[in-house]
Amino acid sequence: ETGVTQSPTHLIKTRGQQVTLRCSSQSGHNTVSWYQQALGQGPQFIFQYYREEENGRGNFPPRFSGLQFPNYSSELNVNALELDDSALYLCASSTRGAYTQYFGPGTRLTVL
Amino acid sequence: KNEVEQSPQNLTAQEGEFITINCSYSVGISALHWLQQHPGGGIVSLFMLSSGKKKHGRLIATINIQEKHSSLHITASHPRDSAVYICAVKDPDKLIFGTGTRLQVFP
Repeated sequence: ETGVTQSPTHLIKTRGQQVTLRCSSQSGHNTVSWYQQALGQGPQFIFQYYREEENGRGNFPPRFSGLQFPNYSSELNVNALELDDSALYLCASSTRGAYTQYFGPGTRLTVL
Repeated sequence: KNEVEQSPQNLTAQEGEFITINCSYSVGISALHWLQQHPGGGIVSLFMLSSGKKKHGRLIATINIQEKHSSLHITASHPRDSAVYICAVKDPDKLIFGTGTRLQVFP
């Protein structure tokens, strides 16, 4: 059984660019949640995907979008990057309604 | 006011000391998680609680649903316990996180 993986581990972009982050969920998990963690802060919920549909969204603008694929892996896309988008982006997988989410190691995005 | 608040924000201890980290929440929840985050970002789930008390090795977590309060205790702390400890509540499908408690244990 493989755990949750994320790629890339680190990424540097400039303002205005677009970025795609990837997450492979743990085997058997059909739900993926994405979180943004700014330096020194707790993670903030971005959105959740269940069976390829968005299933809840936090207080993030539409330039944050996502996809989930038939194999339940997921992408987070951020358009028109801003300096404040610099953060650690975490994905977590679970089965629908399960109490426990399993976290990936995160992607650290730096926007210059 | 944050929906999930932790205290203290920072904690230093000498090896062997008993550690307590507190978490209060204001929303109705189905479960509360204690998570550990090491430098570099990886998050590990320590406990999931919906009532009572759980123990795993030197770690003990308690929750009082009526008072909307949970505590994480570390007995006989060790330098390898140094990390950020985060409390998160499940509401209902997403997790709402506290800002974390940074623990440093010195030998």
